Amino acid sequence: KQEVTQIPAALSVPEGENLVLNCSFTDSAIYNLQWFRQDPGKGLTSLLLIQSSQREQTSGRLNASLDKSSGRSTLYIAASQPGDSATYLCAVSPFTGGGNKLTFGTGTQLKVEL
Amino acid sequence: ETGVTQSPTHLIKTRGQQVTLRCSSQSGHNTVSWYQQALGQGPQFIFQYYREEENGRGNFPPRFSGLQFPNYSSELNVNALELDDSALYLCASSLGSGTGNGYTFGSGTRLTVV
Repeated sequence: KQEVTQIPAALSVPEGENLVLNCSFTDSAIYNLQWFRQDPGKGLTSLLLIQSSQREQTSGRLNASLDKSSGRSTLYIAASQPGDSATYLCAVSPFTGGGNKLTFGTGTQLKVEL
Repeated sequence: ETGVTQSPTHLIKTRGQQVTLRCSSQSGHNTVSWYQQALGQGPQFIFQYYREEENGRGNFPPRFSGLQFPNYSSELNVNALELDDSALYLCASSLGSGTGNGYTFGSGTRLTVV
């Protein structure tokens, strides 16, 4: 059974800092990994999607890496801003079957302070 | 291009009642998945619909059921509501039942069971 863990559970940083969020998964047979952002009480906004054959993806100040063999992904946020405050979730898709469900971690709650 | 829309946004029901949640998929997407997110947790996969048929199910009892319509919109029905059913219900659409295209999520329906 796939299990996804995110560390840390919560993080508070001053504005302008670069930061790294971690995601680990127990079964390396994944099709892709996706990072999402969730604002309080809201739905999920997709940030980056990394296919299993890729090593990283970049979008603006965000960079996500994937090491499938070790079961790890990181989300790097450069020059953090108060508007980045949210919960960040990673999710993996299985390589085969299972209705292609996503398995999520419990998220990292990020607060960027002025 | 319209995104995923869910209705209603909030709902309060009494234990034992039945509820129907609705989801319109993103334009061009033919697959809909439903997730339950309890407070402080990551979303949990309920089931997926592809071509109007259930295409995978998570660990949820049969009182959770769904439908997909020819226009790819979907409904989630929950019978005999329990207090633990209180959660944010998220709908996600994608193109095809394969896992390579990523998912687009709606803003969710907040269900409170009293």
